[in-house]
Amino acid sequence: AQSVTQPDIHITVSEGASLELRCNYSYGATPYLFWYVQSPGQGLQLLLKYFSGDTLVQGIKGFEAEFKRSQSSFNLRKPSVHWSDAAEYFCAVGADSNYQLIWGAGTKLIIKP
Amino acid sequence: DTGVSQDPRHKITKRGQNVTFRCDPISEHNRLYWYRQTLGQGPEFLTYFQNEAQLEKSRLLSDRFSAERPKGSFSTLEIQRTEQGDSAMYLCASSLRQGNSPLHFGNGTRLTVT
Repeated sequence: AQSVTQPDIHITVSEGASLELRCNYSYGATPYLFWYVQSPGQGLQLLLKYFSGDTLVQGIKGFEAEFKRSQSSFNLRKPSVHWSDAAEYFCAVGADSNYQLIWGAGTKLIIKP
Repeated sequence: DTGVSQDPRHKITKRGQNVTFRCDPISEHNRLYWYRQTLGQGPEFLTYFQNEAQLEKSRLLSDRFSAERPKGSFSTLEIQRTEQGDSAMYLCASSLRQGNSPLHFGNGTRLTVT
């Protein structure tokens, strides 16, 4: 079955520390992979996407993610978090049509001062 | 790019009432999507339009739900005879037609059914 797993419901990180949010997927074909961020009461904003090519992709706000086919993972990283990064982060996997995106349940990022 | 706008931001209604939400997509986007999101979950696909044609509907979209995009621009989502289980955030998104053009989301309409 196709699925996306974000193993961590919550993650707490100190401001200035590095961050890694995990995303694992189960998908029959070569997937298109996305990370979106959602601030409280807001819609979702695309951080970055992977379709093909270089497996390390750069996104907005200093985020990057690495596609590892052998591990079926697409983990999101940031070298130094800021208080404004506190939000919920969603990983999504798709094929050739956006309505078929499969979404993870999200990871809520909490930043300690 | 003025973004995707949704109206209203919040709606509180009593069970059994009808509600209608509006979504204005980014003007050059011909695809429009409706999603539902409950607390602690990712978005769940409801339906999508390419221009004015509704091309796909989820099984989540019961016969109490109807969506329209009459002129291929704005869209409305109506829920008839609301139930408490309809309480959720309703998100609209739009995209270009090509392949996996990324989704651009509005800020959502939060529905509370009392």
